[in-house]
Amino acid sequence: AQKVTQAQTEISVVEKEDVTLDCVYETRDTTYYLFWYKQPPSGELVFLIRRNSFDEQNEISGRYSWNFQKSTSSFNFTITASQVVDSAVYFCALSEAEGGSEKLVFGKGMKLTVNP
Amino acid sequence: DAMVIQNPRYQVTQFGKPVTLSCSQTLNHNVMYWYQQKSSQAPKLLFHYYDKDFNNEADTPDNFQSRRPNTSFCFLDIRSPGLGDAAMYLCATSISRGTSPTDTQYFGPGTRLTVL
Repeated sequence: AQKVTQAQTEISVVEKEDVTLDCVYETRDTTYYLFWYKQPPSGELVFLIRRNSFDEQNEISGRYSWNFQKSTSSFNFTITASQVVDSAVYFCALSEAEGGSEKLVFGKGMKLTVNP
Repeated sequence: DAMVIQNPRYQVTQFGKPVTLSCSQTLNHNVMYWYQQKSSQAPKLLFHYYDKDFNNEADTPDNFQSRRPNTSFCFLDIRSPGLGDAAMYLCATSISRGTSPTDTQYFGPGTRLTVL
């Protein structure tokens, strides 16, 4: 069965600190997709990144970067020089590539608080 | 802008009084999902429509029903809300082409349901 583990439940940092959010997944599939979503206090889940299982290149988008390592089944997310606006709950999720049920399996989420 | 819209953003209902939540999308996506998210938890998939085909999750209570009259709209009906149904309800959409890899799910802002 698929499973996503976000071991950290809550992190608090001071603005401009770097912070890494850990995500470990389990799946028997060889083809799968990994996602990160941000959920600010307003409630909307905002899509951040999608990565397929065959693409292990790390990705950087502004202050955000992602480190995908199949060998350790991890897909970690780093925010560099954090800002107050980064305060949110962050979810890591896993999806199968095919099948009748297009199901996202979410981790439990990690609440990030960035203090000024 | 293309988007997923949910109305209302906040809904208050009485115990046992039927309630309908609405979702519309301008993305022309063929798959629409309904998730339930309780406080401090990950979103939980209730069901989804793949075009007109309804796919219910095995553990979704019968109290929850859905309708999709056309591509753009999807409704969540709660026939007899209980106190335990108070939650955020999130609608999401994606494109699925059957044999193609899973596409990203885009979420609406959610409807926060309160049951008195």
